[in-house]
Amino acid sequence: AQKVTQAQTEISVVEKEDVTLDCVYETRDTTYYLFWYKQPPSGELVFLIRRNSFDEQNEISGRYSWNFQKSTSSFNFTITASQVVDSAVYFCALSEEAAGNKLTFGGGTRVLVKP
Amino acid sequence: EPEVTQTPSHQVTQMGQEVILRCVPISNHLYFYWYRQILGQKVEFLVSFYNNEISEKSEIFDDQFSVERPDGSNFTLKIRSTKLEDSAMYFCASPGNYGYTFGSGTRLTVV
Repeated sequence: AQKVTQAQTEISVVEKEDVTLDCVYETRDTTYYLFWYKQPPSGELVFLIRRNSFDEQNEISGRYSWNFQKSTSSFNFTITASQVVDSAVYFCALSEEAAGNKLTFGGGTRVLVKP
Repeated sequence: EPEVTQTPSHQVTQMGQEVILRCVPISNHLYFYWYRQILGQKVEFLVSFYNNEISEKSEIFDDQFSVERPDGSNFTLKIRSTKLEDSAMYFCASPGNYGYTFGSGTRLTVV
């Protein structure tokens, strides 16, 4: 069975600080995808990134970066130089080909960036 | 990125009433999903729909729930007799080019 764990329920930082969100997953499938979604206070789910299980290259997109390590089953997300607009709940999610590609979400991490 | 459209954005209903939530997914995609998020909790899978049939459903998706495709483009999620615990945000989703695109959600409040 697939499972996603986000151990940090809430992180509070001051603007311009870096913040790293942890995500650990469990899967028996060899082909799977990992995702991060942002849920701002308005409630919608905003896609940030998708990674497939065969691509362990780290990725950077502006102030966002992701560290995928299969050896530790982790897919961590770092926001560099945080801004107030980054305040949101961030969800890590997993989909497996063998499970019809449905998404299994972690419990989410609430990030509060104070000015 | 194409959009997924959900209506209504907010619905208040009395316990025991039927509700129908609507979604227009990204066109030409065979897969379609419904998810639920109880306030303050994680997003949970409800049901997947493939090629006009339910392909998988979760334990949450009991006999009170049904999914239909009344015409070629719209999907509906029906809850036959709502309970207080059905109060949640309901999202539909379509696979996009890079990830799943979610609709903006319907917030269902059962009173």
